[in-house]
Amino acid sequence: KQEVTQIPAALSVPEGENLVLNCSFTDSAIYNLQWFRQDPGKGLTSLLLIQSSQREQTSGRLNASLDKSSGRSTLYIAASQPGDSATYLCAFHGGSQGNLIFGKGTKLSVKP
Amino acid sequence: DVKVTQSSRYLVKRTGEKVFLECVQDMDHENMFWYRQDPGLGLRLIYFSYDVKMKEKGDIPEGYSVSREKKERFSLILESASTNQTSMYLCASSLTKGGGAPGGETQYFGPGTRLLVL
Repeated sequence: KQEVTQIPAALSVPEGENLVLNCSFTDSAIYNLQWFRQDPGKGLTSLLLIQSSQREQTSGRLNASLDKSSGRSTLYIAASQPGDSATYLCAFHGGSQGNLIFGKGTKLSVKP
Repeated sequence: DVKVTQSSRYLVKRTGEKVFLECVQDMDHENMFWYRQDPGLGLRLIYFSYDVKMKEKGDIPEGYSVSREKKERFSLILESASTNQTSMYLCASSLTKGGGAPGGETQYFGPGTRLLVL
């Protein structure tokens, strides 16, 4: 069964720092991965989707990479801002059914 | 823009009540999903649906049922609410039947319903 691990569980950085969030998975037979952002008490906002045939995707200050051979994905946030403070979740499509398998998230706090 | 709406943001119910959580999407998506999110456990799939009147069990279907009478609407039903069903419930949708060809596709989430069962 696919398991998804996100490290660290929480991270606090000063404003302006570049940072990396990590996500690892146990089964390389994934279809794609998706990174989400969740603000406290709110739903999930999709940030980036990487297809299994791709290595990375970029959107503004965000860059997500996927390495199936090592079972890892990273989310890189450049020049972090207080508004980036949220919980970041990675999720994998583990099969043809379309449902997502989630990590437990990394709670990011960016201090002004 | 895809919009997924959920009928309530906050809900308080008593043990034994029948509870309906409604989800509506406005982009003609085939697939709809119900998850629950709990501290330390993350998001877990309860039920999903690929088509009208069709449903499939997820990882934790016990104590829940679903209904999809129209394509745009997916309802989660707690037949007899219990305190261990206190949670955040999130609905999601995606475009293509079966989640798309291998490679999958983006899932769009609603704002969530925080349910408290007393």
